[in-house]
Amino acid sequence: EDQVTQSPEALRLQEGESSSLNCSYTVSGLRGLFWYRQDPGKGPEFLFTLYSAGEEKEKERLKATLTKKESFLHITAPKPEDSATYLCAVQHQGNTPLVFGKGTRLSVIA
Amino acid sequence: EPEVTQTPSHQVTQMGQEVILRCVPISNHLYFYWYRQILGQKVEFLVSFYNNEISEKSEIFDDQFSVERPDGSNFTLKIRSTKLEDSAMYFCASSSTWTNEQFFGPGTRLTVL
Repeated sequence: EDQVTQSPEALRLQEGESSSLNCSYTVSGLRGLFWYRQDPGKGPEFLFTLYSAGEEKEKERLKATLTKKESFLHITAPKPEDSATYLCAVQHQGNTPLVFGKGTRLSVIA
Repeated sequence: EPEVTQTPSHQVTQMGQEVILRCVPISNHLYFYWYRQILGQKVEFLVSFYNNEISEKSEIFDDQFSVERPDGSNFTLKIRSTKLEDSAMYFCASSSTWTNEQFFGPGTRLTVL
């Protein structure tokens, strides 16, 4: 059974204080690992897809990396508007259901 | 930019009543999904739909649930007889045939009293 574990559950940063969020996964043949951002009461907003170990993707202050067992979402010099819950999900075959982790709730304080 | 839309944004119903949640997926997408998220918990898969039939469903998607694509644009989730434990955010998502990314709608908050 596919499983996704995210840590920490919550993270509080000062503005400009860089950090990383972790996503550990077990899946029977990874097709893709996805990162989403979710604001309170909203739907998940797509950020990145990673397909193979060693792959990296960047978007503004966010960089996602992938190994055979985990993925990291690095946040460089975060701003208060980066405050959200970040969700990790895995997929074992194309266009099949995503299995989500519980997310990391990030708060960035000015 | 194309996006998934959902209506209503909030639905309040009495236990035992039927509800229909509506979604308009992104227009050139062919794979459709319903997920739910109980308050404070993870996003959980309910059902996927492709080529006018269910392609996969979870244990949550029992006989009380059904999905339909009544026309070329809408995708609906029906709960026949709602229970208190059906209270959750329900998200519709869609994806295309050439990428795996699933794009989510804003959700419908279902409250069962």
